[in-house]
Amino acid sequence: NAGVMQNPRHLVRRRGQEARLRCSPMKGHSHVYWYRQLPEEGLKFMVYLQKENIIDESGMPKERFSAEFPKEGPSILRIQQVVRGDSAAYFCASSPKTDPGQPQHFGDGTRLSIL
Amino acid sequence: AQTVTQSQPEMSVQEAETVTLSCTYDTSESDYYLFWYKQPPSRQMILVIRQEAYKQQNATENRFSVNFQKAAKSFSLKISDSQLGDAAMYFCAYRWFYGGSQGNLIFGKGTKLSVKP
Repeated sequence: NAGVMQNPRHLVRRRGQEARLRCSPMKGHSHVYWYRQLPEEGLKFMVYLQKENIIDESGMPKERFSAEFPKEGPSILRIQQVVRGDSAAYFCASSPKTDPGQPQHFGDGTRLSIL
Repeated sequence: AQTVTQSQPEMSVQEAETVTLSCTYDTSESDYYLFWYKQPPSRQMILVIRQEAYKQQNATENRFSVNFQKAAKSFSLKISDSQLGDAAMYFCAYRWFYGGSQGNLIFGKGTKLSVKP
């Protein structure tokens, strides 16, 4: 039973390029969450999606960042025109239903490095 | 706004001994969940234990237990019989819910636990 799959594990981009981070939730999970972890910090919420819907994007920067979770395929976190400050670990988590007691299952994260 | 505070950036424990990691939170909600996650050097986020705010009984999972003090908004993690594999960052997290709505996880900044052989 595969867990949450994130790819790539490491991503290197130059300033101004685009970064695409992918997340496949656990089988049967329809809720996806993206978090960002800066060095020496805890995880910070970015966005919460269900299939084809953005439920809460209150943690997303207003510009350059977008997320989607299409009917088919993985969830994508897209960062346009990356800057040095975007360097971080990005984690995806999934849960099976709208039950806050159900623990979110995390992927191994994507470490994004901006040159 | 809800916040989670972990006041101990680093802690150290001798193998086989007991250690307690502190966590406090601030919220005006009455219904919520609290979690402890472990992040080893591999960077995985591993759920250690969870507590429902409406339950007075403290949660336990093998060597891990919590001391949940709702009035004080305190949620500490006790690790008994510490093992070398317990060395990791530990994050306290909070999640509210009300009716059919729920919030995202709010994390503290973490406590780095070292285990000495």
